[in-house]
Amino acid sequence: QVQLQQWGAGLLKPSETLSLTCAVYGGFLSGYYWSWIRQPPGKGPEWIGEISHSGNTNYNPSLKSRVTISLDTSNNQLSLNLSSVTAADTAVYYCARGGIVVVPSANWFDSWGQGTLVTVSS
Amino acid sequence: DIVLTQSPGTLSLSPGERATLSCRASQRVSITHLAWYQQKPGQAPRLLIYGASNRATGIPDRFSGSGSGTDFTLTISRLEPEDFAVYYCQQYDSSPYSFGQGTKLEIK
Repeated sequence: QVQLQQWGAGLLKPSETLSLTCAVYGGFLSGYYWSWIRQPPGKGPEWIGEISHSGNTNYNPSLKSRVTISLDTSNNQLSLNLSSVTAADTAVYYCARGGIVVVPSANWFDSWGQGTLVTVSS
Repeated sequence: DIVLTQSPGTLSLSPGERATLSCRASQRVSITHLAWYQQKPGQAPRLLIYGASNRATGIPDRFSGSGSGTDFTLTISRLEPEDFAVYYCQQYDSSPYSFGQGTKLEIK
Protein backbone atom coordinates (compact mmCIF):
# COMPACT_ATOMS: atom_id res chain seq x y z
CA GLN A 1 0.00 0.00 0.00
CA VAL A 2 1.40 3.34 -1.03
CA GLN A 3 2.33 5.75 1.75
CA LEU A 4 3.09 9.44 1.43
CA GLN A 5 5.36 11.28 3.88
CA GLN A 6 5.78 15.02 3.63
CA TRP A 7 7.92 17.67 5.25
CA GLY A 8 8.81 21.36 5.02
CA ALA A 9 8.96 24.63 6.91
CA GLY A 10 5.95 25.31 9.09
CA LEU A 11 6.37 29.02 9.82
CA LEU A 12 6.88 31.65 7.15
CA LYS A 13 6.87 35.43 6.98
CA PRO A 14 4.79 37.31 4.41
CA SER A 15 6.41 37.44 0.96
CA GLU A 16 8.50 34.30 1.58
CA THR A 17 8.25 31.11 -0.49
CA LEU A 18 6.56 28.00 0.86
CA SER A 19 8.46 24.81 0.02
CA LEU A 20 7.21 21.31 0.79
CA THR A 21 8.38 17.85 -0.27
CA CYS A 22 6.46 14.58 -0.34
CA ALA A 23 8.08 11.15 -0.59
CA VAL A 24 6.16 8.19 -2.01
CA TYR A 25 6.81 4.79 -0.44
CA GLY A 26 5.45 1.41 -1.50
CA GLY A 27 4.72 2.55 -5.02
CA PHE A 28 6.01 4.52 -7.96
CA LEU A 29 5.21 7.92 -9.37
CA SER A 30 4.59 6.49 -12.80
CA GLY A 31 1.03 6.01 -13.98
CA TYR A 32 -0.58 8.54 -11.68
CA TYR A 33 -1.23 12.21 -11.19
CA TRP A 34 0.10 13.62 -7.92
CA SER A 35 -1.59 16.59 -6.30
CA TRP A 36 -1.12 19.16 -3.60
CA ILE A 37 -4.21 20.14 -1.62
CA ARG A 38 -4.53 22.63 1.22
CA GLN A 39 -7.08 23.12 3.96
CA PRO A 40 -7.38 26.41 5.85
CA PRO A 41 -8.32 26.03 9.52
CA GLY A 42 -11.99 25.08 9.86
CA LYS A 43 -12.63 25.05 6.11
CA GLY A 44 -12.94 22.54 3.30
CA PRO A 45 -9.95 21.40 1.23
CA GLU A 46 -8.74 23.40 -1.77
CA TRP A 47 -7.00 21.72 -4.69
CA ILE A 48 -3.74 23.48 -5.58
CA GLY A 49 -2.53 21.55 -8.60
CA GLU A 50 -1.25 18.26 -9.98
CA ILE A 51 1.63 16.76 -11.91
CA SER A 52 1.89 13.55 -13.92
CA HIS A 53 4.88 11.21 -13.86
CA SER A 54 5.91 12.68 -17.20
CA GLY A 55 5.94 16.18 -15.74
CA ASN A 56 2.70 17.58 -17.15
CA THR A 57 1.18 20.05 -14.72
CA ASN A 58 -2.29 21.45 -14.11
CA TYR A 59 -2.79 24.25 -11.60
CA ASN A 60 -5.75 25.90 -9.94
CA PRO A 61 -6.10 29.26 -11.75
CA SER A 62 -6.55 30.99 -8.40
CA LEU A 63 -2.94 30.10 -7.48
CA LYS A 64 -1.34 29.47 -10.85
CA SER A 65 0.83 32.58 -10.91
CA ARG A 66 2.54 31.59 -7.64
CA VAL A 67 2.66 27.77 -7.77
CA THR A 68 5.25 25.32 -9.04
CA ILE A 69 4.87 21.56 -8.62
CA SER A 70 7.79 19.36 -9.62
CA LEU A 71 8.91 15.74 -9.51
CA ASP A 72 12.15 14.04 -8.52
CA THR A 73 11.64 10.64 -10.07
CA SER A 74 15.00 9.32 -8.94
CA ASN A 75 13.95 9.76 -5.31
CA ASN A 76 10.22 9.12 -5.82
CA GLN A 77 9.34 12.59 -4.52
CA LEU A 78 7.22 15.55 -5.48
CA SER A 79 7.56 19.13 -4.35
CA LEU A 80 5.46 22.25 -3.97
CA ASN A 81 6.68 25.83 -4.13
CA LEU A 82 4.26 28.69 -3.44
CA SER A 83 5.77 32.15 -3.74
CA SER A 84 4.88 35.47 -2.12
CA VAL A 85 2.84 33.94 0.68
CA THR A 86 0.41 35.95 2.81
CA ALA A 87 -1.68 35.16 5.86
CA ALA A 88 -4.36 33.83 3.51
CA ASP A 89 -2.02 30.96 2.64
CA THR A 90 -2.07 29.68 6.23
CA ALA A 91 -3.37 26.12 6.01
CA VAL A 92 -2.59 22.44 6.38
CA TYR A 93 -0.99 21.31 3.14
CA TYR A 94 -1.36 17.74 1.88
CA CYS A 95 0.17 15.77 -0.94
CA ALA A 96 -2.13 13.16 -2.44
CA ARG A 97 -2.25 10.51 -5.14
CA GLY A 98 -4.81 11.41 -7.73
CA GLY A 99 -5.95 10.18 -11.09
CA ILE A 100 -4.66 7.35 -13.19
CA VAL A 101 -2.99 8.81 -16.25
CA VAL A 102 -4.48 6.32 -18.71
CA VAL A 103 -8.00 6.61 -17.26
CA PRO A 104 -9.52 10.00 -18.10
CA SER A 105 -11.39 11.78 -15.32
CA ALA A 106 -10.38 9.41 -12.53
CA ASN A 107 -9.17 12.25 -10.35
CA TRP A 108 -10.22 11.21 -6.88
CA PHE A 109 -7.57 11.13 -4.14
CA ASP A 110 -7.00 7.71 -2.62
CA SER A 111 -3.78 8.22 -0.65
CA TRP A 112 -2.79 11.28 1.35
CA GLY A 113 0.24 12.52 3.22
CA GLN A 114 -0.04 13.28 6.91
CA GLY A 115 -0.34 17.02 6.33
CA THR A 116 1.92 19.95 7.18
CA LEU A 117 0.59 23.01 8.97
CA VAL A 118 2.04 26.12 7.38
CA THR A 119 1.50 29.36 9.22
CA VAL A 120 2.27 32.73 7.63
CA SER A 121 2.81 35.45 10.19
CA SER A 122 5.04 38.45 10.60
CA ASP B 1 -15.60 26.63 -11.68
CA ILE B 2 -17.95 24.12 -10.06
CA VAL B 3 -19.03 25.06 -6.53
CA LEU B 4 -20.20 22.29 -4.22
CA THR B 5 -22.63 23.11 -1.42
CA GLN B 6 -23.12 20.56 1.33
CA SER B 7 -26.06 20.33 3.70
CA PRO B 8 -26.71 20.31 6.50
CA GLY B 9 -23.68 22.03 8.00
CA THR B 10 -24.04 19.93 11.15
CA LEU B 11 -26.02 16.73 11.63
CA SER B 12 -26.71 15.46 15.15
CA LEU B 13 -27.64 11.78 15.35
CA SER B 14 -27.26 8.80 17.65
CA PRO B 15 -25.36 5.56 17.00
CA GLY B 16 -27.54 3.11 15.13
CA GLU B 17 -29.44 5.83 13.28
CA ARG B 18 -29.32 6.50 9.54
CA ALA B 19 -27.42 9.53 8.23
CA THR B 20 -28.18 11.27 4.94
CA LEU B 21 -25.73 13.91 3.74
CA SER B 22 -26.31 16.08 0.69
CA CYS B 23 -23.97 17.64 -1.88
CA ARG B 24 -25.30 20.02 -4.53
CA ALA B 25 -23.21 21.19 -7.48
CA SER B 26 -23.50 24.60 -9.14
CA GLN B 27 -23.57 22.88 -12.54
CA ARG B 28 -24.15 19.39 -13.79
CA VAL B 29 -21.51 16.84 -12.80
CA SER B 30 -21.11 13.55 -14.60
CA ILE B 31 -22.39 10.77 -12.39
CA THR B 32 -18.99 9.15 -12.42
CA HIS B 33 -17.07 12.22 -11.28
CA LEU B 34 -18.06 12.69 -7.65
CA ALA B 35 -16.23 11.45 -4.53
CA TRP B 36 -16.86 11.49 -0.79
CA TYR B 37 -14.27 11.70 2.02
CA GLN B 38 -14.33 11.31 5.78
CA GLN B 39 -12.04 13.43 7.96
CA LYS B 40 -11.37 13.05 11.67
CA PRO B 41 -9.59 15.71 13.77
CA GLY B 42 -5.88 15.92 13.06
CA GLN B 43 -6.08 13.44 10.18
CA ALA B 44 -6.02 13.66 6.42
CA PRO B 45 -9.26 13.05 4.53
CA ARG B 46 -9.99 9.40 3.80
CA LEU B 47 -11.57 8.35 0.52
CA LEU B 48 -14.95 6.65 1.03
CA ILE B 49 -16.73 6.76 -2.32
CA TYR B 50 -15.64 7.46 -5.91
CA GLY B 51 -17.67 7.50 -9.09
CA ALA B 52 -20.62 8.65 -6.95
CA SER B 53 -21.42 5.13 -5.74
CA ASN B 54 -18.29 2.97 -5.64
CA ARG B 55 -16.85 2.19 -2.23
CA ALA B 56 -13.10 2.56 -1.87
CA THR B 57 -11.00 -0.34 -0.67
CA GLY B 58 -11.80 -1.33 2.90
CA ILE B 59 -14.86 0.88 3.30
CA PRO B 60 -17.76 -0.86 5.11
CA ASP B 61 -20.96 -1.46 3.18
CA ARG B 62 -22.97 0.74 5.56
CA PHE B 63 -21.58 3.63 3.47
CA SER B 64 -23.32 4.21 0.15
CA GLY B 65 -23.39 6.98 -2.42
CA SER B 66 -26.04 7.95 -4.92
CA GLY B 67 -27.25 10.79 -7.09
CA SER B 68 -26.83 12.37 -10.48
CA GLY B 69 -26.75 15.69 -12.27
CA THR B 70 -26.36 18.30 -9.56
CA ASP B 71 -27.59 16.42 -6.48
CA PHE B 72 -25.63 13.69 -4.72
CA THR B 73 -26.13 11.88 -1.42
CA LEU B 74 -23.95 9.97 1.01
CA THR B 75 -25.89 7.59 3.23
CA ILE B 76 -24.60 5.81 6.32
CA SER B 77 -27.15 3.11 7.06
CA ARG B 78 -26.44 2.48 10.75
CA LEU B 79 -24.07 4.84 12.49
CA GLU B 80 -21.17 3.39 14.41
CA PRO B 81 -19.29 5.46 17.02
CA GLU B 82 -16.29 5.78 14.67
CA ASP B 83 -18.45 7.38 11.94
CA PHE B 84 -18.78 10.70 13.74
CA ALA B 85 -16.52 13.00 11.73
CA VAL B 86 -16.61 15.64 8.99
CA TYR B 87 -17.58 14.54 5.48
CA TYR B 88 -16.63 16.26 2.22
CA CYS B 89 -17.75 15.78 -1.35
CA GLN B 90 -15.39 16.46 -4.25
CA GLN B 91 -15.99 16.82 -7.97
CA TYR B 92 -13.45 15.83 -10.57
CA ASP B 93 -15.63 16.50 -13.58
CA SER B 94 -13.66 19.59 -14.50
CA SER B 95 -10.55 21.39 -13.39
CA PRO B 96 -10.08 23.03 -10.95
CA TYR B 97 -11.26 20.08 -8.88
CA SER B 98 -13.28 21.32 -5.94
CA PHE B 99 -14.54 20.22 -2.54
CA GLY B 100 -17.61 21.12 -0.55
CA GLN B 101 -17.37 22.97 2.74
CA GLY B 102 -18.21 19.84 4.72
CA THR B 103 -20.92 18.34 6.92
CA LYS B 104 -20.04 17.68 10.54
CA LEU B 105 -21.70 14.54 11.84
CA GLU B 106 -21.86 14.75 15.62
CA ILE B 107 -23.20 12.53 18.36
CA LYS B 108 -26.60 13.60 19.64
